Amino acid sequence: NAGVTQTPKFQVLKTGQSMTLQCAQDMNHEYMSWYRQDPGMGLRLIHYSVGAGITDQGEVPNGYNVSRSTTEDFPLRLLSAAPSQTSVYFCASSRTRNSNQPQHFGDGTRLSIL
Amino acid sequence: EDKVVQSPLSLVVHEGDTVTLNCSYEVTNFRSLLWYKQEKKAPTFLFMLTSSGIEKKSGRLSSILDKKELSSILNITATQTGDSAIYLCAVESYNTDKLIFGTGTRLQVFP
Repeated sequence: NAGVTQTPKFQVLKTGQSMTLQCAQDMNHEYMSWYRQDPGMGLRLIHYSVGAGITDQGEVPNGYNVSRSTTEDFPLRLLSAAPSQTSVYFCASSRTRNSNQPQHFGDGTRLSIL
Repeated sequence: EDKVVQSPLSLVVHEGDTVTLNCSYEVTNFRSLLWYKQEKKAPTFLFMLTSSGIEKKSGRLSSILDKKELSSILNITATQTGDSAIYLCAVESYNTDKLIFGTGTRLQVFP
């Protein structure tokens, strides 16, 4: 049982490059979300999805796109990377948002933008 | 705007000490408060507190929700070096599908 799997674990990009952070879960969870974690800022919600085909913005969505074509996968796309997007990114999932079930987190992707 | 504030930001103790971490929140139509422990990688779930479950305990860790004061505490007794981590508090509302996190408390336990 893999849980929430994020790839890659580390990535270095140049300003202006694009990339996709992958997130997959094998628990048939409906709810998935992306957070970024910066020193002194805690975890901030970027985008989330309550089910396949449905996505919505969190606190800090600018510069990021998401899609949810399947229940299992929730990729996060950086369209044109900026140094301000240097951060650790976490994907999380839970069965639903109304089930009193906690979110399970992946191990994170450490992203550096030069 | 929904908000979660944790204190202290950082705490250094010796093994065997007891610590209390604080979390206060402002959220419309409160649903639940969660505590997570984060070591080197993913946050791992500790407790969920709701109106129907305001006190939880697991081994040396316990947590209480005070809905009147809009706050929660996380207690760790007889601390061990393995308790060293960032402890995150988060709240969710019936109004939204979002989990709002505090900035965390960094706990360091020295032998």
